[in-house]
Amino acid sequence: GQNIDQPTEMTATEGAIVQINCTYQTSGFNGLFWYQQHAGEAPTFLSYNVLDGLEEKGRFSSFLSRSKGYSYLLLKELQMKDSASYLCAVRDSNYQLIWGAGTKLIIKP
Amino acid sequence: ETGVTQTPRHLVMGMTNKKSLKCEQHLGHNAMYWYKQSAKKPLELMFVYNFKEQTENNSVPSRFSPECPNSSHLFLHLHTLQPEDSALYLCASSQDLGGESTEAFFGQGTRLTVV
Repeated sequence: GQNIDQPTEMTATEGAIVQINCTYQTSGFNGLFWYQQHAGEAPTFLSYNVLDGLEEKGRFSSFLSRSKGYSYLLLKELQMKDSASYLCAVRDSNYQLIWGAGTKLIIKP
Repeated sequence: ETGVTQTPRHLVMGMTNKKSLKCEQHLGHNAMYWYKQSAKKPLELMFVYNFKEQTENNSVPSRFSPECPNSSHLFLHLHTLQPEDSALYLCASSQDLGGESTEAFFGQGTRLTVV
């Protein structure tokens, strides 16, 4: 079966750095997405990786290793507004998105 | 504002009721999706429409009935639901089904409670 694993919850301190990991086993691979979802709001797109390596976008970076079935989202200079759930999703060989259950990130002052 | 609007935001319905969820996008996208989001579970894809044609039905019970009258509007008709159907129902759209990137844009969802 297809599976996406990510930690259920993480806690970090304002101003620090946090890394949210995602491992996947899917039928084929056509890209990996990270989304941010604040409580009661729509998921919003953060990043897309299809080739191995690091994609940097401001305070957020996303890394992919296709051979290891692994990605991480790196958040730097954490702000209170970064408290949210972070969803990892992989697009399989049929271009279907397979979703993880999300990682709830709690930022403490 | 993500460009995808869902109504209503909250809905409480009895098991014998019939109700409809509405989704509207004016992003010029060709693909639209219904997802179910339950607490601490992955997003579950329910239905996919591409150019108004249904391309995916992920074994969804017939008490959920989608309708896509045009590429900008998507409905989810509900009848004789069960309490376990209580969840957040998210609508999303994307330019196409595949291709490079093609991230999905989500609405804020309808929080459905079945009593």
